[in-house]
Amino acid sequence: EELLVESGGDLVQPGGSLRLSCAASGFTFSNYAMHWVRQAPGKGLEWVAGISGSDGRTYYADSVKGRFTISRDNSKNTLFLQMNSLRAEDTAVHYCARGDAGAFDVWGPGTMVAVSS
Amino acid sequence: QSALTQPPSASGSPGQSVTISCTGTSSDIGRYNFVSWYQQHPGKAPKLLIYVVTKRPSGVPARFSGSKSGNTASLTVSGLQAEDEADYYCNSYAGINNWVFGGGTKLTVL
Repeated sequence: EELLVESGGDLVQPGGSLRLSCAASGFTFSNYAMHWVRQAPGKGLEWVAGISGSDGRTYYADSVKGRFTISRDNSKNTLFLQMNSLRAEDTAVHYCARGDAGAFDVWGPGTMVAVSS
Repeated sequence: QSALTQPPSASGSPGQSVTISCTGTSSDIGRYNFVSWYQQHPGKAPKLLIYVVTKRPSGVPARFSGSKSGNTASLTVSGLQAEDEADYYCNSYAGINNWVFGGGTKLTVL
């Protein structure tokens, strides 16, 4: 079974940093692009960042560019999201998702990031 | 990149059909066939229903179908069932390695 499980969500103060992880299993991780998608409380989905499977090219939404860094360790089947200079508007459930055929076909259960003083 | 436009709500009775629209621009839906739809029940992760406009992943019932015309994509749910009550989101590739979601539609089964 193809599974994704996020971890690392926490309550952090504005301006702080957090590193999210996403452990993948049940598929050849290096063959797929991976993404982070977030959902603020009571709001819709927002694509945050993506990374290609093999060459590690990265892509970001304008709202996080320069503050967030997506990376992956194919030897450990793990995706990461380093989040710096966090703002209140970054408060959201953060999902990792597998990319395939232009869609997000496998999702994790999500991890909550709360930014508040 | 602006979000795609979806109606905030839709409804139908069991057995009926309902169509949810998703309007973008010539830079996203109008240019690419990477249009997908997701179902999300409260407190759960989204689930892929439709990809590349019309295709269904294995396990998704044939009651769910997708289409596209110009800058607008649509999701049709036929033979509505109680378990179809959920939030539905469209998504499109928007070029330059950027993806955009719709604001979501809450589907109520009356």
